[in-house]
Amino acid sequence: DTGVSQDPRHKITKRGQNVTFRCDPISEHNRLYWYRQTLGQGPEFLTYFQNEAQLEKSRLLSDRFSAERPKGSFSTLEIQRTEQGDSAMYLCASSLVVGGQAFFGQGTRLTVV
Amino acid sequence: GQQLNQSPQSMFIQEGEDVSMNCTSSSIFNTWLWYKQDPGEGPVLLIALYKAGELTSNGRLTAQFGITRKDSFLNISASIPSDVGIYFCAGANTDKLIFGTGTRLQVFP
Repeated sequence: DTGVSQDPRHKITKRGQNVTFRCDPISEHNRLYWYRQTLGQGPEFLTYFQNEAQLEKSRLLSDRFSAERPKGSFSTLEIQRTEQGDSAMYLCASSLVVGGQAFFGQGTRLTVV
Repeated sequence: GQQLNQSPQSMFIQEGEDVSMNCTSSSIFNTWLWYKQDPGEGPVLLIALYKAGELTSNGRLTAQFGITRKDSFLNISASIPSDVGIYFCAGANTDKLIFGTGTRLQVFP
């Protein structure tokens, strides 16, 4: 399967714990995006990378959130000191060209208890 | 965060009927994309539009890029049960995609 891959698919964590999610984009896609989706809403933009450079971060991305794409390939999204409001589906997408077709992974569903 | 307006919010139709939904924005976009999302899964790309006025088909799906570049439309002809899901529009310029609020489609046999 050469699509976007996310790991894990599901994560249950206690409030206050740190969690890290991984995204492997489609190979040779230089754009990588992170989105968050809550029930009944459309995906909301968090941040995106062009190769290894993080070009934009949403105001939704508080200082407890950090994303990296160290070698311009896979990316990680870390949430520190999780809160119940962080419970959501975290989606990763990649695209080959600016403003082009973005392909999504299956998402990581986070539940903070 | 910013979201585009989609209508209708939900639709309940009978198998075989045609479906129309639309997406509007206060901003201009250079690209419009339409996605379908099943429960617990990521959005799947259906159609991409790159030019104002463009009409593009993918099987029973047809989408149009509005002339004003502030809206887009999706039509599904002869609906079938597997069309059930949530349909999202997304607009893009040179950076991120901005998604719509979604249209939930239910198809009854």
